[in-house]
Amino acid sequence: EVQLVQSGAEVKKPGESLKISCKGSGYSFTSHWIGWVRQLPGEGLEWMGIFYPGNSDTRYSPSFQGQVTISVDKSISTAYLQWISLKASDTAIYYCVRSSLDWGYRPDYWGQGTLVTVSS
Amino acid sequence: DIVMTQSPLSLPVTPGEPASISCKSSQSLLHSNGNNYLDWYLQKPGKSPQLLIYLGSNRASGVPDRFSGSGSGTDFTLKISRVEAEDVGVYYCMHALQSPVTFGQGTRLEIK
Repeated sequence: EVQLVQSGAEVKKPGESLKISCKGSGYSFTSHWIGWVRQLPGEGLEWMGIFYPGNSDTRYSPSFQGQVTISVDKSISTAYLQWISLKASDTAIYYCVRSSLDWGYRPDYWGQGTLVTVSS
Repeated sequence: DIVMTQSPLSLPVTPGEPASISCKSSQSLLHSNGNNYLDWYLQKPGKSPQLLIYLGSNRASGVPDRFSGSGSGTDFTLKISRVEAEDVGVYYCMHALQSPVTFGQGTRLEIK
């Protein structure tokens, strides 16, 4: 069974750094792109970017390029989303997504979501 | 970026009745390989989104056959033949043609 298990909720202050995680299991981790989708409070879905563990290729949405870093540790089948300096506007639920084998841009499995709250 | 526009944004439906959601893209999602890179997702209340339909008309594994997708190019439709109580939630269309992937605004289906 494919599972994406994300790290727990975080409460941070503006300017702080943060790294959240997503552990994949039940499939070949290096064969699928893995990425992140943001959902602002009460809002819709925004695709942030994807990472291919097989060769470290990374694609970011222009809206998130330079704002976050997506990385992977293949040895433990875990993807990360990192911020250097959080802003209040980063408050959202962040979903880890696995892409389908045949097309890297299509999420076919979603993690349970990680709520990030940034408040002074 | 490709802009995805859904309608309606709110859809009250009586159980057992059909429902239909439209999704239009600002540019064609028809790839040279003949596939339309349009997917549909359902986000049930308090849950993560789940894939319903991919490549415009293919049901994902485990999706009931009352759900169907159609369309090509820039105009797509999701239909539910007979709505059940468990179908409530927000439906999103999404293009997967290129980076950046973008979603429609979402259509909230509620039971009358």
